[in-house]
Amino acid sequence: KAGVTQTPRYLIKTRGQQVTLSCSPISGHRSVSWYQQTPGQGLQFLFEYFSETQRNKGNFPGRFSGRQFSNSRSEMNVSTLELGDSALYLCASSFTSGYTGELFFGEGSRLTVL
Amino acid sequence: QQQVKQSPQSLIVQKGGISIINCAYENTAFDYFPWYQQFPGKGPALLIAIRPDVSEKKEGRFTISFNKSAKQFSLHIMDSQPGDSATYFCAASPSSGGGADGLTFGKGTHLIIQP
Repeated sequence: KAGVTQTPRYLIKTRGQQVTLSCSPISGHRSVSWYQQTPGQGLQFLFEYFSETQRNKGNFPGRFSGRQFSNSRSEMNVSTLELGDSALYLCASSFTSGYTGELFFGEGSRLTVL
Repeated sequence: QQQVKQSPQSLIVQKGGISIINCAYENTAFDYFPWYQQFPGKGPALLIAIRPDVSEKKEGRFTISFNKSAKQFSLHIMDSQPGDSATYFCAASPSSGGGADGLTFGKGTHLIIQP
């Protein structure tokens, strides 16, 4: 059974640009959550999608957005990139809600903003 | 606001010893407490989880102890092995879901097991 796949794995952008990250969940999983991981702040919740609907959103500015497609694949977008957006962005899928079920994480997309 | 406080930040244990990582939470609505293990270059993976209806859960060498009144829970790794060297995250969430926190993670403990 294939795991969670995130693309691209690494990317470098400059301030002001935008970026789109993609996540393919485990087959049959309907929930996709996104987390930002940095050395200083650890893992911080961005948002969760379930059956194409955003269920919850973390305390991030509106520059961070996401969506989920009918096949459960998800994308997140960050516009007007800032230096502080440099981080590892992790996608996690789960069969039920990401709150009480096991989260299966991908290996992440490492974003560097110059 | 850090709702789950994890300590220590780093820990060095000799092979065969017991590794202990502690977490404390503030939100009394939390009722699901998982631990995740992360190796370099990989995403976190669920290690073990507990709900507050039990005070202890054991899976192999890994044990979670839970103290509801103190709002604390801890991970014990018995007979620690070099392969256990990783970063460990505690986490908590309300099973009812909702809110802006998703699964709230502690800031992690970097564990090194010396051979």
